Amino acid sequence: SQTIHQWPATLVQPVGSPLSLECTVEGTSNPNLYWYRQAAGRGLQLLFYSVGIGQISSEVPQNLSASRPQDRQFILSSKKLLLSDSGFYLCAWSPPGGYSNQPQHFGDGTRLSIL
Amino acid sequence: SQKIEQNSEALNIQEGKTATLTCNYTNYSPAYLQWYRQDPGRGPVFLLLIRENEKEKRKERLKVTFDTTLKQSLFHITASQPADSATYLCASSGSGNTGKLIFGQGTTLQVKP
Repeated sequence: SQTIHQWPATLVQPVGSPLSLECTVEGTSNPNLYWYRQAAGRGLQLLFYSVGIGQISSEVPQNLSASRPQDRQFILSSKKLLLSDSGFYLCAWSPPGGYSNQPQHFGDGTRLSIL
Repeated sequence: SQKIEQNSEALNIQEGKTATLTCNYTNYSPAYLQWYRQDPGRGPVFLLLIRENEKEKRKERLKVTFDTTLKQSLFHITASQPADSATYLCASSGSGNTGKLIFGQGTTLQVKP
């Protein structure tokens, strides 16, 4: 069966520091991968979307970047964190093909606090 | 712009009653709607998907409807239990079949024993 792992679960970082959040998926090949941010009491905001290695679509201009160095690895990065980067970051995968009739499967998220 | 909205106020109901949550969309016509459950500090978990040509979909105590005239989906939990307490998210396909979803802000359900 397929599993998705995200780490770390919580992270406290000072303003201006770099960031690297990692997500890996097991049990499937060539998944679609997603990074979301969820602010308190808000819906999920899609940040990045990837259909394959090295293929990244950015949905919202911001201080963050994403990379997909391997088929089942998705990394969210920043060179210098801002206070506004605080939030709950979620990684998700869906079966390949880019079709909207497929459910997305989420990791348990990273709670990022910027001080 | 494409928008999907859920009632942001928490829904409080008594155990055993039916909970009904609402999802409305504007400025587009999604081909699919999905419902997810999210517990505090956890990622959302997929529950049900309904297509635009389906009026209703059921899974155990869950029922989802899709009304393209009203641009609305309703999510029902019958015989609700305290364990059903969670935040429920509605999501839709955007224009174009890209695999990307647009999420509502979620409605928190509290079932009291």
